[in-house]
Amino acid sequence: GENVEQHPSTLSVQEGDSAVIKCTYSDSASNYFPWYKQELGKGPQLIIDIRSNVGEKKDQRIAVTLNKTAKHFSLHITETQPEDSAVYFCAASIRSGTYKYIFGTGTRLKVLA
Amino acid sequence: DTAVSQTPKYLVTQMGNDKSIKCEQNLGHDTMYWYKQDSKKFLKIMFSYNNKELIINETVPNRFSPKSPDKAHLNLHINSLELGDSAVYFCASSLPGRQGQETQYFGPGTRLLVL
Repeated sequence: GENVEQHPSTLSVQEGDSAVIKCTYSDSASNYFPWYKQELGKGPQLIIDIRSNVGEKKDQRIAVTLNKTAKHFSLHITETQPEDSAVYFCAASIRSGTYKYIFGTGTRLKVLA
Repeated sequence: DTAVSQTPKYLVTQMGNDKSIKCEQNLGHDTMYWYKQDSKKFLKIMFSYNNKELIINETVPNRFSPKSPDKAHLNLHINSLELGDSAVYFCASSLPGRQGQETQYFGPGTRLLVL
């Protein structure tokens, strides 16, 4: 079925440490994997994405890795800062008639100063 | 100059009422979406329109009726509101791209509370 599992559900790290959030998807035809950051009272904002023909992508302190064989993808945030505190969602694009996103259940990241 | 905007931001209403939420995007995108985010933060797609044509209609009660007067606007009308409709509703939009790889941009959300 259509499913994206996301772990952990909550994550606390000390400022300056790294944070890793992992997702697993079920549809082997999924070909696009965005990550969104949602701050309190706001809508999800895209922070990075990866397409299925790429294994890794980096943007400053944020990186995403994709293992298509295992159907895993992960978000890595290095040198975390208090403003990184938010809820992070992974998503996978699946085809069900037309394409749509299936979102993970979210990870609440707290960066402790 | 907000890219995807929604009104109202907050909506508090009584059970049984009918209400509408409006969404507008000025990004020139062709596709628009409605999502529901429940109290556990779970985000689920409800509807999608492409150039005013309905393309995704998830298993949503028919009390929910989307309407797209043009490709820049997608409204959501909800009849006979129930307690379980309380949630945050997000509008999103995307450009057509390689199928399945279009980036979606979200609005700020409408917080609906049904009493």
